[in-house]
Amino acid sequence: DARVTQTPRHKVTEMGQEVTMRCQPILGHNTVFWYRQTMMQGLELLAYFRNRAPLDDSGMPKDRFSAEMPDATLATLKIQPSEPRDSAVYFCASGEQGAPGETQYFGPGTRLLVL
Amino acid sequence: AQSVAQPEDQVNVAEGNPLTVKCTYSVSGNPYLFWYVQYPNRGLQFLLKYITGDNLVKGSYGFEAEFNKSQTSFHLKKPSALVSDSALYFCAVKSGGSYIPTFGRGTSLIVHP
Repeated sequence: DARVTQTPRHKVTEMGQEVTMRCQPILGHNTVFWYRQTMMQGLELLAYFRNRAPLDDSGMPKDRFSAEMPDATLATLKIQPSEPRDSAVYFCASGEQGAPGETQYFGPGTRLLVL
Repeated sequence: AQSVAQPEDQVNVAEGNPLTVKCTYSVSGNPYLFWYVQYPNRGLQFLLKYITGDNLVKGSYGFEAEFNKSQTSFHLKKPSALVSDSALYFCAVKSGGSYIPTFGRGTSLIVHP
């Protein structure tokens, strides 16, 4: 049963520290999405990759957030420096772009708390 | 442009009763419509989708949804609710020309024993 994996599952850090979240998409999937979920804002799209190329990062605060796909099996989301308002659950999802009505497969999320 | 609305933050239903979670959408052209479910401390999980064809779509765990083009709705339904159906439900829409779906804010379904 293929799944999206995310590490770490939980992260507690202090304001100003760098945070790196990792995602392994399902093998063979060529799209990756990063989302942030909070009670106030709901589910927000941060970044979208297709074939490892970033196609949309309009929802991401550029001054402190960065997203990359070093290879097809790894996507990373970094926050530097982190702030308390970044506390949220961060989800990665992957899909097979090209098929009509692409379904997204979500990972379990990284729960981030910035003190 | 594409948008989706889930007008109810919370839906309460008794176990064994039918349930409906509402979703309306706005999109240019033909829509692709999705329902996802999120259990506590888990990621979103795909339930069902409408791409084309039969307006009644059947999905996982006995859920179904009806595409209504005239009302621009895609309500999620189940004939008999279970306590284990209690979760957060998200509707999403994508136009044919978009690579990225738009998600609703979610509806919390609470099924009472």
